[in-house]
Amino acid sequence: QKEVEQDPGPLSVPEGAIVSLNCTYSNSAFQYFMWYRQYSRKGPELLMYTYSSGNKEDGRFTAQVDKSSKYISLFIRDSQPSDSATYLCAMRLDSWGKLQFGAGTQVVVTP
Amino acid sequence: DTAVSQTPKYLVTQMGNDKSIKCEQNLGHDTMYWYKQDSKKFLKIMFSYNNKELIINETVPNRFSPKSPDKAHLNLHINSLELGDSAVYFCASTPGNSYEQYFGPGTRLTVT
Repeated sequence: QKEVEQDPGPLSVPEGAIVSLNCTYSNSAFQYFMWYRQYSRKGPELLMYTYSSGNKEDGRFTAQVDKSSKYISLFIRDSQPSDSATYLCAMRLDSWGKLQFGAGTQVVVTP
Repeated sequence: DTAVSQTPKYLVTQMGNDKSIKCEQNLGHDTMYWYKQDSKKFLKIMFSYNNKELIINETVPNRFSPKSPDKAHLNLHINSLELGDSAVYFCASTPGNSYEQYFGPGTRLTVT
């Protein structure tokens, strides 16, 4: 069993819909949680960062962490075709530790 | 200005060859990484250097050897290439113990 599980998709939604992405993990010691966005043939770029449990909002993006369930989520409101990408969750034990990535979920937003 | 750059962008080579991939960052970051992304998009860390010192060395065949000549450069040399080495290799960097890693554009390696 991988430390971080993420459904690879693809997830296809119409423009304007809410995109809901999630990851589960097995190591309860993870403290830092991130979401990266990767466009086709590009490197990943950091989208959202959360420390410990709670919610964080940034524009159309909301990240949630539920440490009791070992579950993190990313919501994209009012999705746009430009949001079509692969979204990777990532987490680490401490500020120096290596990042453990999920497999990535491919999202397709159709006009 | 490119923050993290990699050369080459594409690399096609035959089994058994030796090849190198180069990475440079102009962000002044202390820590650099090499990741491998397989065909299923799974991104896995291989190595990490902090100020030219190796700090993370995952279970990677010893055919892979990283080298950091200075803080801004991290190269990856691969000996005796195998079909299973075909993947996209990403370099990344981060300042100090920051959570954010800045990724390069990737090097798509195809071994035939």
